[in-house]
Amino acid sequence: EAGVAQSPRYKIIEKRQSVAFWCNPISGHATLYWYQQILGQGPKLLIQFQNNGVVDDSQLPKDRFSAERLKGVDSTLKIQPAKLEDSAVYLCASSLAGPPGGLFFGEGSRLTVL
Amino acid sequence: GDSVTQMEGPVTLSEEAFLTINCTYTATGYPSLFWYVQYPGEGLQLLLKATKADDKGSNKGFEATYRKETTSFHLEKGSVQVSDSAVYFCALSLTSYDKVIFGPGTSLSVIP
Repeated sequence: EAGVAQSPRYKIIEKRQSVAFWCNPISGHATLYWYQQILGQGPKLLIQFQNNGVVDDSQLPKDRFSAERLKGVDSTLKIQPAKLEDSAVYLCASSLAGPPGGLFFGEGSRLTVL
Repeated sequence: GDSVTQMEGPVTLSEEAFLTINCTYTATGYPSLFWYVQYPGEGLQLLLKATKADDKGSNKGFEATYRKETTSFHLEKGSVQVSDSAVYFCALSLTSYDKVIFGPGTSLSVIP
């Protein structure tokens, strides 16, 4: 079974530029998450999708971050314009809907903002 | 709000030593509890889980027991190996919609 796929693995941009990250979850997983992991900290949930709908985006900085999940499968997370403090690893995870069986994570996309 | 607290690292142990990483939580209701592990250069992986009080999760020689009375889920292993060197995250899931909240992580280094 293929795991959660993310791209790009690494991205370096200047502040005020834009960047987009892509995620393809495990086939059949209805729930998709984007987490931000700053060095030395635990992952922080940015947004959670259930199929096409947003379940929780309370910690998403909506003035600069946006995310979509078209057709309930792939998802894209965009940052525009980027700030220095956005330097982090952006983790995508997926899970089956229903009782919590744990999340399956991709390898992450490491963003460096200069 | 709901949160997870872990013992601060880094933790350095000799091979074959006993490991305990403390984890306590604050949550409304009765969450499911997890330990995730992040090996160097890799993504997070689920290590073990427990979904109700007194459940014991176990995997790869690691164990953790869901203690509702002390709101704890401490991770233990009887004899650590160099290959156990990683960052360990305690997490909880609010069963109503699977939101997962992570602790700050505890870095473990095992030396030969």
